[in-house]
Amino acid sequence: GAVVSQHPSRVICKSGTSVKIECRSLDFQATTMFWYRQFPKQSLMLMATSNEGSKATYEQGVEKDKFLINHASLTLSTLTVTSAHPEDSSFYICSLDRGPYNEQFFGPGTRLTVL
Amino acid sequence: QKEVEQNSGPLSVPEGAIASLNCTYSDRGSQSFFWYRQYSGKSPELIMSIYSNGDKEDGRFTAQLNKASQYVSLLIRDSQPSDSATYLCAVPNAGNMLTFGGGTRLMVKP
Repeated sequence: GAVVSQHPSRVICKSGTSVKIECRSLDFQATTMFWYRQFPKQSLMLMATSNEGSKATYEQGVEKDKFLINHASLTLSTLTVTSAHPEDSSFYICSLDRGPYNEQFFGPGTRLTVL
Repeated sequence: QKEVEQNSGPLSVPEGAIASLNCTYSDRGSQSFFWYRQYSGKSPELIMSIYSNGDKEDGRFTAQLNKASQYVSLLIRDSQPSDSATYLCAVPNAGNMLTFGGGTRLMVKP
């Protein structure tokens, strides 16, 4: 499967600060990446689809001005949580799809804790 | 809106037994089906893909697909405690996004 990395793996920040999470495709040029969020004991929730060279597509209820996505190259997408608050504390996971049947391969995730 | 349904569990099986995980889906046009394993605190890992009716085997895992019944299952033979995880069934939809089931939590007891 595709190799996907995320950085950082864990971040703790104060309320009101912005946090940038990087998602890299290490062995595949990905025109599309996906960003998910998962709260404890809950299902994965798709936040947005990141498209290389164009604007991201956000799911209903996800604030695009709060969760800024930049997919500037075929191997890197970033998610910036702006003015983070405790309710933004969650596990953020990126993925990319590869292959003829659109299998998605996930990064290891970033655990965000906002104090 | 496509739907994917799974029993949330937990499904508890003794070590060495066969674990059977089930998934139903609503869209008859679905062509691809995926099983992901997610350990607590980790991201999902793709363990099986199936596209044709019938069985597909990979090591201790067997995926079974029945498109007429809109049913896909995952069998884990010789279950090990390390198989204890949440198993997610997923189906692609428009825009290459995945629709996930809620997941089934499997517990394999030594």
